[in-house]
Amino acid sequence: AQTVTQSQPEMSVQEAETVTLSCTYDTSESDYYLFWYKQPPSRQMILVIRQEAYKQQNATENRFSVNFQKAAKSFSLKISDSQLGDAAMYFCAYRSRQYGNKLVFGAGTILRVKS
Amino acid sequence: NAGVTQTPKFQVLKTGQSMTLQCAQDMNHNSMYWYRQDPGMGLRLIYYSASEGTTDKGEVPNGYNVSRLNKREFSLRLESAAPSQTSVYFCASIRHLSGANVLTFGAGSRLTVL
Repeated sequence: AQTVTQSQPEMSVQEAETVTLSCTYDTSESDYYLFWYKQPPSRQMILVIRQEAYKQQNATENRFSVNFQKAAKSFSLKISDSQLGDAAMYFCAYRSRQYGNKLVFGAGTILRVKS
Repeated sequence: NAGVTQTPKFQVLKTGQSMTLQCAQDMNHNSMYWYRQDPGMGLRLIYYSASEGTTDKGEVPNGYNVSRLNKREFSLRLESAAPSQTSVYFCASIRHLSGANVLTFGAGSRLTVL
């Protein structure tokens, strides 16, 4: 079974600085998708960034980028120039291509941004 | 507005009571999901439906049943509620069976079992 592990329950960053959130996963598949979702206090889930496993190039969306290491099964999220609005719970997620679109999440990392 | 609609938003049940959480999407999505979110546990997959007419167990299916009534609707039923099922429940949907399409979540349903 696919599993996703986020080893940092909570992280803090100073406004305007950079922070990296860690994610590792376990799978026997070679083709899959990885995502980072943000959940602010409103509880709505917001897609931050996505990565297709067959693409070697790391995905980037404005201040958000990932470090995708397929062999190590690692998918970390880097947030540059952190803003107060980035404070939220962040979830790493894995979506299978083989098992009917099964989508599994990690336990989440709470990100606090200090002014 | 297009999206995923969950009802009810809040519900309080007594142990042993039954209820159904409703979920509907109007985006013509194929796959639908039910998750529960608990502090420190993240989002755990209860059941999912890859397409109309199919359902599969996720990580924590015990105590729940689902029905994919049609392409739009995917309901979650608690036959005999237990305090351990106190949680926030999210329904979500996605369009294609391949491709990194975006998952769309409902606003969540907070369930308390006394």
